[in-house]
Amino acid sequence: DAKTTQPTSMDCAEGRAANLPCNHSTISGNEYVYWYRQIHSQGPQYIIHGLKNNETNEMASLIITEDRKSSTLILPHATLRDTAVYYCIAHYFTGANSKLTFGKGITLSVRP
Amino acid sequence: DSGVTQTPKHLITATGQRVTLRCSPRSGDLSVYWYQQSLDQGLQFLIQYYNGEERAKGNILERFSAQQFPDLHSELNLSSLELGDSALYFCASSVGLLAGEGEQFFGPGTRLTVL
Repeated sequence: DAKTTQPTSMDCAEGRAANLPCNHSTISGNEYVYWYRQIHSQGPQYIIHGLKNNETNEMASLIITEDRKSSTLILPHATLRDTAVYYCIAHYFTGANSKLTFGKGITLSVRP
Repeated sequence: DSGVTQTPKHLITATGQRVTLRCSPRSGDLSVYWYQQSLDQGLQFLIQYYNGEERAKGNILERFSAQQFPDLHSELNLSSLELGDSALYFCASSVGLLAGEGEQFFGPGTRLTVL
C-alpha cells in the first residue's frame, strides 16, 4: 500500500463543510483511495472510495487531484455525530491481498 | 448497522486462558477479515478468509488461529492469553476480492480484557 499522510487533528463548526486532506504522493496507478471513519471504539465505517474521478455519495464527496498525489474528503454539512477518526487508505485489491492497512488517521472534532 | 454481527460484546478472562470470538458476515459476503485494535498499536490486520480458505495473514500471533465455516461465519481463537492481548477485536466482511470491491463492513467488535 502506498503511504498516506494526514494531519493529526482538525475541527470545524457544526453545519459547515469539513475538508479532510490526505497526501499519497507515492500512490500507484491502480491503487484506489478509500476513506473510513471510526466513531469512538465502534467498528470502522466505510465512507467512500475512488480511483481517478471525483466521487460523491450520500455521506461525502471525494476529490482526487489530477496527479492523484492527494485527495480531500468533504463532509458538506458536518454534524456533531461526524466527530470521529477518519482514515485515508491507498490500496490495490488483488486476489491475494485485500487487507486494509490503517494508519493513525485524522481526528475530526465538530464543535457546536 | 453494518449487517456484521460479533459475539460476545465483552469478554473478561484471565492470563493463560483460551477464548473464541465469533463473527457472522453480511448476507452474501464471502470474505471475512479480523482486525485487532489496541491503544498502542492502532487497527492491525490479523487474518482474512475467503469462502472458507485462508487468503492473507497479517501480524497474527501463533497463539491465535481462525477459521471460516461452510456457512461463512468465522471464529477467532486466542489461546495462552497475555495481558497484552487485551484489545478490541473487529471482524469485517466484503463481497469479494476484486480491485474496487474495497468496501469492508465492520462489526461492532468484541472487547477482550485479560486480567
